[in-house]
Amino acid sequence: NAGVMQNPRHLVRRRGQEARLRCSPMKGHSHVYWYRQLPEEGLKFMVYLQKENIIDESGMPKERFSAEFPKEGPSILRIQQVVRGDSAAYFCASSPSANSNQPQHFGDGTRLSIL
Amino acid sequence: QKEVEQNSGPLSVPEGAIASLNCTYSDRVSQSFFWYRQYSGKSPELIMSIYSNGDKEDGRFTAQLNKASQYVSLLIRDSQPSDSATYLCAEYLRGANNLFFGTGTRLTVIP
Repeated sequence: NAGVMQNPRHLVRRRGQEARLRCSPMKGHSHVYWYRQLPEEGLKFMVYLQKENIIDESGMPKERFSAEFPKEGPSILRIQQVVRGDSAAYFCASSPSANSNQPQHFGDGTRLSIL
Repeated sequence: QKEVEQNSGPLSVPEGAIASLNCTYSDRVSQSFFWYRQYSGKSPELIMSIYSNGDKEDGRFTAQLNKASQYVSLLIRDSQPSDSATYLCAEYLRGANNLFFGTGTRLTVIP
């Protein structure tokens, strides 16, 4: 499968726990973007990463959220001390470059539910 | 102010008709636009991209961009029930690192 791979597809956490969402970009893509989609809303940008670098995290909440894209392995979006409001679908997208004409291709998302 | 505005719908058209989806944007440094289709519970899937004024056709889909009026539209000809989904308009701003999405228009094609 050459597409963007996200796991897990569904994640249930209790308030106060940590959530880790993983994303492997398409083969040949080195640019990764994370978006959050709340019910009945559009996708909102969170963070943009290249290998080992966070390029733009302007859409990410300042507290409890962090992201990384290590030299080896998938990109990780980490949410600490989750709250009910974190329940959403989290999508990862990748592109081969940051060129504005390069479309972003999305993974199937992780549906995060907070009990 | 939202960067990208879409009619939330829902929009219903009979099978075989033309579905017209519209999107307006406010930022004049928008460089490119993308239409994504999203089935319920699924990921956004790229349908069309458009960068220049005018029309761009791909099969049953036509994207139209009018930079002077700041709108972009998607026409779906010969609509099929399988086209029933939410369609998301997204823009890429010059100097930005991400796509800005509208809230989507839900389309239902009635057999």
